[in-house]
Amino acid sequence: RKEVEQDPGPFNVPEGATVAFNCTYSNSASQSFFWYRQDCRKEPKLLMSVYSSGNEDGRFTAQLNRASQYISLLIRDSKLSDSATYLCVVNPGGYNKLIFGAGTRLAVHP
Amino acid sequence: EAGVAQSPRYKIIEKRQSVAFWCNPISGHATLYWYQQILGQGPKLLIQFQNNGVVDDSQLPKDRFSAERLKGVDSTLKIQPAKLEDSAVYLCASSRINWQRGPGQGAYEQYFGPGTRLTVT
Repeated sequence: RKEVEQDPGPFNVPEGATVAFNCTYSNSASQSFFWYRQDCRKEPKLLMSVYSSGNEDGRFTAQLNRASQYISLLIRDSKLSDSATYLCVVNPGGYNKLIFGAGTRLAVHP
Repeated sequence: EAGVAQSPRYKIIEKRQSVAFWCNPISGHATLYWYQQILGQGPKLLIQFQNNGVVDDSQLPKDRFSAERLKGVDSTLKIQPAKLEDSAVYLCASSRINWQRGPGQGAYEQYFGPGTRLTVT
């Protein structure tokens, strides 16, 4: 079983749509969680951290369910510029080590 | 603030040849990481340095890959000899240390360089 699993997509949605991505992780001792964004042929960049209580940053909402070992990302009012691959990232413990999922590809069309 | 610098950006070599990649982290970042990203996959950590010491190299194929960070700043990653399956993007990242947190108390944002795209033919 992979340490971090994501649906690879692609998710093809029209502008203005709401889309949700899910991610599961295998290590119940994992400490912290993130979503990174990676544009085509670019480096990954931090989108947002994921807190136990859930958190929101503009059109983006992240949720964590420790009992189910499940993380989600919700994007509201999708923009063309949201087209990218979204990487689910887990810190399994240990000094700042990150485990990346394979990513979910999002394509927003006019 | 300057970002993470990497060179070269692209490299094409034949199998069994050797290759080296260079990384200069963000100034003041003590932790440096090398990742391998194969097409369609997420980045996989190869090696992590804290200053000039190795923190984690459990996934580094040590029979052919080596890395060093001699003065705790720049780093080089070498592959010798290269195999076809080494074709990938090699990403360097850096992060701060917060001495107020210990292991397992949260991770810090990693800043990635643009990567080196390696093709082995």
